[in-house]
Amino acid sequence: AQSVTQPDIHITVSEGASLELRCNYSYGATPYLFWYVQSPGQGLQLLLKYFSGDTLVQGIKGFEAEFKRSQSSFNLRKPSVHWSDAAEYFCAVGAGDDYKLSFGAGTTVTVRA
Amino acid sequence: GAVVSQHPSRVICKSGTSVKIECRSLDFQATTMFWYRQFPKQSLMLMATSNEGSKATYEQGVEKDKFLINHASLTLSTLTVTSAHPEDSSFYICSAYGQGGYTFGSGTRLTVV
Repeated sequence: AQSVTQPDIHITVSEGASLELRCNYSYGATPYLFWYVQSPGQGLQLLLKYFSGDTLVQGIKGFEAEFKRSQSSFNLRKPSVHWSDAAEYFCAVGAGDDYKLSFGAGTTVTVRA
Repeated sequence: GAVVSQHPSRVICKSGTSVKIECRSLDFQATTMFWYRQFPKQSLMLMATSNEGSKATYEQGVEKDKFLINHASLTLSTLTVTSAHPEDSSFYICSAYGQGGYTFGSGTRLTVV
């Protein structure tokens, strides 16, 4: 079965600074990888996804992520954060024919002025 | 884009009563619907998977008689929390798989008093 680890529980970043959120997965083959963002009391919004092809994936809101098979990682980055980026971020991995997603524990991002 | 409408967004019910949560895929057919539970500051925990016209598959530890799932059509799935108790208070989120991707509802905050 697949699993996901997000090592950072909480990250605080200054507005305008760069942001990187780490995600490591465990799966025998190439998984489907996702990053979602959740604002308080809301559902999840897809930022980007990787299925195959180019390992650098561009998403919405200026986010990008890079799939590194050798490191089993799919880290999320943004060059310059905005106060509105403060939220909870989840990495998820899907694999197999049952379409189930496994979520990481999440990383809370706080943006300070 | 694909939209999943989840209702109600908030519900307060008395202990011992039942509550129904609806998820509708508005502009696509959801071959599979997933139901998650999320505790404060925690990740999403998959409760069950449902496919249209067949019985739901529950994750280990989830009481199928307490959390009744019906997936009567390709656009509608419901979760009924039966004989609700305060420990069932949580945030419930549905996710529809269709058109090659996952779309999440906006979630339901259930409070049992």
